[in-house]
Amino acid sequence: KQEVTQIPAALSVPEGENLVLNCSFTDSAIYNLQWFRQDPGKGLTSLLLIQSSQREQTSGRLNASLDKSSGRSTLYIAASQPGDSATYLCAVQISWGKFQFGAGTQVVVTP
Amino acid sequence: EAEVAQSPRYKITEKSQAVAFWCDPISGHATLYWYRQILGQGPELLVQFQDESVVDDSQLPKDRFSAERLKGVDSTLKIQPAELGDSAMYLCASSPSPALVETQYFGPGTRLLVL
Repeated sequence: KQEVTQIPAALSVPEGENLVLNCSFTDSAIYNLQWFRQDPGKGLTSLLLIQSSQREQTSGRLNASLDKSSGRSTLYIAASQPGDSATYLCAVQISWGKFQFGAGTQVVVTP
Repeated sequence: EAEVAQSPRYKITEKSQAVAFWCDPISGHATLYWYRQILGQGPELLVQFQDESVVDDSQLPKDRFSAERLKGVDSTLKIQPAELGDSAMYLCASSPSPALVETQYFGPGTRLLVL
């Protein structure tokens, strides 16, 4: 069974520092990996989707890498801002319409 | 921008009562998902619909949970009777159709508290 782990569960950084969020998965047979953002009490917003054949994706200050063979993905957020405070979840698509989510990393960016 | 709508946003109920949640996916999206998210955990799939048909409900506790999508558009998730352990966020998501590379669009969720 695919397991997705995100470590650390929480972190706090001062504004301006770069954020590095980690996601690991146990089975490399995935179709894609997505990073989501979740604000307190809200739904999930998709940030980046990396297809299994890709190594990375970039959107503005966000960059996500994927190493299928080692079962790891990293989300980098450059020059963090207080508005980046949220929980970040990764999810792997394991088949048609099937996703396995990690528990998320709760991020606090302090002014 | 089109969004997935859910109601109610919050629900407080007593155990053994019945509760129902409603979801309206993005127009034209054939696939609809209901997830349960316990505080501090990632979402777990309860049921997946393709149009009006259930594709996967293997994780749905069928003794107390039911879901329907009668006309292949909006959907209702019901719990009867509610138990204390059902307290969670219930998220609805939709996508144009299931695919190997798929983005799901999530609604704001319904936060359920069972007392």
